[in-house]
Amino acid sequence: AQSVAQPEDQVNVAEGNPLTVKCTYSVSGNPYLFWYVQYPNRGLQFLLKYITGDNLVKGSYGFEAEFNKSQTSFHLKKPSALVSDSALYFCAVREYGGATNKLIFGTGTLLAVQP
Amino acid sequence: DTGVSQDPRHKITKRGQNVTFRCDPISEHNRLYWYRQTLGQGPEFLTYFQNEAQLEKSRLLSDRFSAERPKGSFSTLEIQRTEQGDSAMYLCASSLRTGSYNSPLHFGNGTRLTVT
Repeated sequence: AQSVAQPEDQVNVAEGNPLTVKCTYSVSGNPYLFWYVQYPNRGLQFLLKYITGDNLVKGSYGFEAEFNKSQTSFHLKKPSALVSDSALYFCAVREYGGATNKLIFGTGTLLAVQP
Repeated sequence: DTGVSQDPRHKITKRGQNVTFRCDPISEHNRLYWYRQTLGQGPEFLTYFQNEAQLEKSRLLSDRFSAERPKGSFSTLEIQRTEQGDSAMYLCASSLRTGSYNSPLHFGNGTRLTVT
């Protein structure tokens, strides 16, 4: 069965510092990985995805994520955090070419960027 | 903005009543998904359609829940005999699937259901 773990409920970082939001996954085959961001009372917005190719994926708003197959991880990163990055971040996985097309989401990590 | 539209944004109902939500996907998208999100949790998959065909349903989707996409465009999600445990944000998303290409899911802003 597919699953996603986001081990940190909240990440605190000072504005201008680098940030990392952690994600690990489990699928039977090859993973299709995503990061989404959610602002209060809004739906989820797509940030970036990994299917195949370069392990470092670049996405919206200066975010990037690094796929590590051996550690089954897909951590979200940004070199310099902004206060406006404060939001709820979700990692999601689907098995590439698998029988199901549903995305499985983690429980989310609240990112708080202090000025 | 021609994103995913959901109506209503908020719904308050009494236990035992039926409710229906509507989702209008991005017009060229052929896949439509329903998710449910409760406080402190990630979205949980309920069901999805490709065009008008409902291709997958979660075990979470009890007999009281039904979803339709009659013409392969908008979709409705109905909950019959609502219970307090149905209180959640109901999210709709759409995507485009052509051949081996599958676009990311684009989400609407959700319908927040409160059952009193």
